Amino acid sequence: GQSLEQPSEVTAVEGAIVQINCTYQTSGFYGLSWYQQHDGGAPTFLSYNALDGLEETGRFSSFLSRSDSYGYLLLQELQMKDSASYFCATETTGGFKTIFGAGTRLFVKA
Amino acid sequence: NAGVTQTPKFQVLKTGQSMTLQCAQDMNHNSMYWYRQDPGMGLRLIYYSASEGTTDKGEVPNGYNVSRLNKREFSLRLESAAPSQTSVYFCATNGGTREQYFGPGTRLTVT
Repeated sequence: GQSLEQPSEVTAVEGAIVQINCTYQTSGFYGLSWYQQHDGGAPTFLSYNALDGLEETGRFSSFLSRSDSYGYLLLQELQMKDSASYFCATETTGGFKTIFGAGTRLFVKA
Repeated sequence: NAGVTQTPKFQVLKTGQSMTLQCAQDMNHNSMYWYRQDPGMGLRLIYYSASEGTTDKGEVPNGYNVSRLNKREFSLRLESAAPSQTSVYFCATNGGTREQYFGPGTRLTVT
């Protein structure tokens, strides 16, 4: 089957660094995306990795290892507003059928 | 420039009733998607439309139908609502990159 596995919850302190892992099992891999969703809101796109390595966007970075079927989202200098759910996602079937992980709920404490 | 809009925002249905969820985009994107999100879970793809005139099943299509009316609009229809379809429904679009743009969602309760 096709699936993405993420931890259900992560807690970190304001100002710290946190890593959210995602392991996947899919056929026809088209890269790994990350989305953020605040309670009651819609998902918003954070980053995409097509190739192995690190992609950096401000305080957020995302990493992919295709050989290990593994990726992670790294959030630095955590702020209270980073408290949200984070989803990894990938596509199959020619890049259109998107599959999401169940999400990791991040709690940032003062 | 509204992006992706969805109507209605909230809806309560009785079992067996039908309704159509509307989605419209002004981003000139070819691809459009319908997802459902249940509490504490990720999004599951119901149907998608890679381009105007085409639609395909996603992961959980049973109980739903879709229409890609034109490039801007993609509707989702529940013919006979069931309590198991209580969920938040999101429409999304994609313009050829991997980034999907989501609408604000429709919160549907079926009693």
